[in-house]
Amino acid sequence: DVKVTQSLRYLVKRTGEKVFLECVQDMDHENMFWYRQDPGLGLRLIYFSYDVKMKEKGDIPEGYSVSREKKERFSLILESASTNQTSMYLCASSSQPRGLKLFFGSGTQLSVL
Amino acid sequence: AQRVTQPEKLLSVFKGAPVELKCNYSYSGSPELFWYVQYSRQRLQLLLRHISRESIKGFTADLNKGETSFHLKKPFAQEEDSAMYYCALLVPGNQFYFGTGTSLTVIP
Repeated sequence: DVKVTQSLRYLVKRTGEKVFLECVQDMDHENMFWYRQDPGLGLRLIYFSYDVKMKEKGDIPEGYSVSREKKERFSLILESASTNQTSMYLCASSSQPRGLKLFFGSGTQLSVL
Repeated sequence: AQRVTQPEKLLSVFKGAPVELKCNYSYSGSPELFWYVQYSRQRLQLLLRHISRESIKGFTADLNKGETSFHLKKPFAQEEDSAMYYCALLVPGNQFYFGTGTSLTVIP
């Protein structure tokens, strides 16, 4: 079975700090995604990537950046964390050409104080 | 733009009662729709997709293009069905758009 690993379950940071969230998948999937999950707002797409070194903006990319240097690894970066970025962050992956199923990580709950 | 609407944030039903979680979508092309579920302390996972026309854990969902709906139904709810349910739309480019979710509680 596909495994999507987000190694940090909880993370607490202060306003202005740089935050680095990492996601690793072990099934050679081409597509990788970062979502944030907020009560009442559902899942919102931040960034996604179709291949190494490729990235595309989702619905809410402001304040975030991503890095995909290796196929299995997709990182989400908050250059200067703000309190409104407190959220659950979910990573997901799917295969090409028609990624009909998303495989999710267990999520990282980020609190920005 | 809002592409998937789930009008109910919370839904409570008694065990054994029928349950219907509503989902409406807005998309000009031919839609591909899914239901994802997140049980307590578990990761989000695929429940079912309309192209498979399958029944998973007793749940079914029929795509109604006329009403642009993809409601999730189960005739007899069980306690283990309590979870957060998300309707999702897949658009070209392999992007999924999710609704805001419905939290289902099945009362014993």
